[in-house]
Amino acid sequence: QSALTQPASVSGSPGQSITISCSGTSSDVGNYQYVSWYQQHPGKAPKLMIYDVSNRPSGVSIRFSGSKSGNTASLTISGLQAEDEADYYCNSYTSSSTYVFGTGTKVTVL
Amino acid sequence: QVQLQESGPGLVKPSETLSLTCTVSGYSISSGYYWGWIRQPPGKGLEWIGTMHQSGNTYYNPSLKSRITTSVDTSKNQFSLRLTSVTAADTAVYYCVRESGGNSHFDYWGRGTLVTVSS
Repeated sequence: QSALTQPASVSGSPGQSITISCSGTSSDVGNYQYVSWYQQHPGKAPKLMIYDVSNRPSGVSIRFSGSKSGNTASLTISGLQAEDEADYYCNSYTSSSTYVFGTGTKVTVL
Repeated sequence: QVQLQESGPGLVKPSETLSLTCTVSGYSISSGYYWGWIRQPPGKGLEWIGTMHQSGNTYYNPSLKSRITTSVDTSKNQFSLRLTSVTAADTAVYYCVRESGGNSHFDYWGRGTLVTVSS
C-alpha cells in the first residue's frame, strides 16, 4: 500500500489560515469517511486532531477543521498560532482492511 | 484516563526478534476496542503495523505480515508485538495505540519506545 500524499511543508504567519492536503485513491480516502489527522511535536507522540473526516475530539481547538472531496482530504488551521508549528499526518482506512498514513507535512509559523 | 505504556529491549541484533509489550491502564482490554502498533523510523513518517482484538481478530500491514505475531493478555491488561528477522530498517520508535470508532482512528497513544537494530 502506498502512503497518502501530503505536501512536505506548509507555512503561514500568525493569524493566517493554512490548508494541508492529503491525496489518496478510491481504495482509501475516496471510499471511506475514516480519515483522521494527527499533530506531532518534536520528540512527542502524535495527537489525534480530527477523525471521521471532520470531527474534533474533545479538547481540540475549533481552529482545526477537516474536509474531504473525492480522493483528497484536507486539514485547515485557522488563526495560526506559534503552538501549531508541528508535523501533521493524515490517515485513512483502506479497502484491504488496513490503514495507511500520509507522508507528513511540516507546518512552520513564520 | 486511558494510558498506554510500551516496554521492551531498546537494542536488538540483526536477524533476531523484536518483542514489545504495551500495558494499558484506565481501561480493561477485555471490554472491547482494537489495540495496535504504529512505528516511526528516525526522522521519517508514521507506519501502521497492525491492530488486534482480544477475540483474536488481527489486521496487519501487508509489508510486515509475514514477520509479525501479536497477542493479548487480558489478565495483565497487556498486548504484545513480535517482529522476526529484524534489520536496520526496523529501527524506529514504536507506539502502541487504541483504535476507536470502528476502523476509524487512533485516540490513545503510548509515549513510544525507540528500538535500535544493530550488532
